[in-house]
Amino acid sequence: GESVGLHLPTLSVQEGDNSIINCAYSNSASDYFIWYKQESGKGPQFIIDIRSNMDKRQGQRVTVLLNKTVKHLSLQIAATQPGDSAVYFCAENSGGYQKVTFGTGTKLQVIP
Amino acid sequence: GAVVSQHPSRVICKSGTSVKIECRSLDFQATTMFWYRQFPKQSLMLMATSNEGSKATYEQGVEKDKFLINHASLTLSTLTVTSAHPEDSSFYICSARVVAGLEAFFGQGTRLTVV
Repeated sequence: GESVGLHLPTLSVQEGDNSIINCAYSNSASDYFIWYKQESGKGPQFIIDIRSNMDKRQGQRVTVLLNKTVKHLSLQIAATQPGDSAVYFCAENSGGYQKVTFGTGTKLQVIP
Repeated sequence: GAVVSQHPSRVICKSGTSVKIECRSLDFQATTMFWYRQFPKQSLMLMATSNEGSKATYEQGVEKDKFLINHASLTLSTLTVTSAHPEDSSFYICSARVVAGLEAFFGQGTRLTVV
């Protein structure tokens, strides 16, 4: 049968508050990082990306921070809305056009 | 962003039969497509990377004779689950990368249930 499901870590935030989702990556050679949002029963949706020569990138309501020293990535969502409720994954890309591998994911629950 | 279409979105098949899943890039050409599977409450696990016109590269532990991947054109890759068993039931997701690009776009996924 299927593998026993692991429980995703869950972050609960009040509507209107800011959310910070963290991710540790493993490969020091990774040169490109992406945050994806996945709603139930759907494929991942691109949110924002950052290359390894940057430490911060901002989009609309979202900011990604990259700390290569400790191999840490974070996603900040400003003024969190109920529509932001989903599972968020960080992903890393190594060596140009090679594979994109995903982190474990965090479930974001927005409390109205 | 670019659109990746995956078909079917849901499929139920009998144990022992084969199922084909299609992944199409609708408005761009994709030299590289990726196939993932995802179990409930888990992350996406990369199964294989397929490059147009060449054999797919499978991740460790993924049986290439069971999960047949064909990437015959720049807009279409297929995954065939052969002799499916109930343990193959999962959510299968493809993604496509634009030519000379880094960003990968994802299909909507296929829910496979083997009974």
